[in-house]
Amino acid sequence: EAQVTQNPRYLITVTGKKLTVTCSQNMNHEYMSWYRQDPGLGLRQIYYSMNVEVTDKGDVPEGYKVSRKEKRNFPLILESPSPNQTSLYFCASSLSVRSRETQYFGPGTRLLVL
Amino acid sequence: AQSVAQPEDQVNVAEGNPLTVKCTYSVSGNPYLFWYVQYPNRGLQFLLKYITGDNLVKGSYGFEAEFNKSQTSFHLKKPSALVSDSALYFCAVRPPINNAGNMLTFGGGTRLMVKP
Repeated sequence: EAQVTQNPRYLITVTGKKLTVTCSQNMNHEYMSWYRQDPGLGLRQIYYSMNVEVTDKGDVPEGYKVSRKEKRNFPLILESPSPNQTSLYFCASSLSVRSRETQYFGPGTRLLVL
Repeated sequence: AQSVAQPEDQVNVAEGNPLTVKCTYSVSGNPYLFWYVQYPNRGLQFLLKYITGDNLVKGSYGFEAEFNKSQTSFHLKKPSALVSDSALYFCAVRPPINNAGNMLTFGGGTRLMVKP
């Protein structure tokens, strides 16, 4: 089954404790992206990757890192989480970066930073 | 920069009645427009998209959306609402030329509540 998976689905952590949220897709998509969803703000892009070893900042990259060593995986890293990073995070992938391509989303990771 | 507005935080309809979820956008050039739905504790699911052609686009679960260039709108519609349609709906826009990789700009979401 074609899908985007994320782990963990739920995470409670404390300020400053490094964490990684994994994202994997099995559709051989070139493009992958991370979003955070906050009430009333919709989804805002954190980072994206147009292909292996190619990553760039989205609208709200501060406090986050990503890597794209393999085509299927695109982990999101919070080196020193803070409470304002409490949010619902979505990974997405698309066949390419072309505008007409549909993005497919993972199930989401709900993060609480105390 | 592109933007999307969903003017209603919540839309309430009775089961069997038609529903409309509004979306207006601002983008340079001809836009690519998308609707996604989010059910509780789930990720976003693609519903439909407008790229070019017929202004009325049909999508999943009986939904359709009408692209109106003069009003810069892309309202989501369904002729007869179901209780199971209750969810959070997001409109999104992308510019036709996308060099920066910022693929989608989302609206703030509209919660649809369909009551029996």
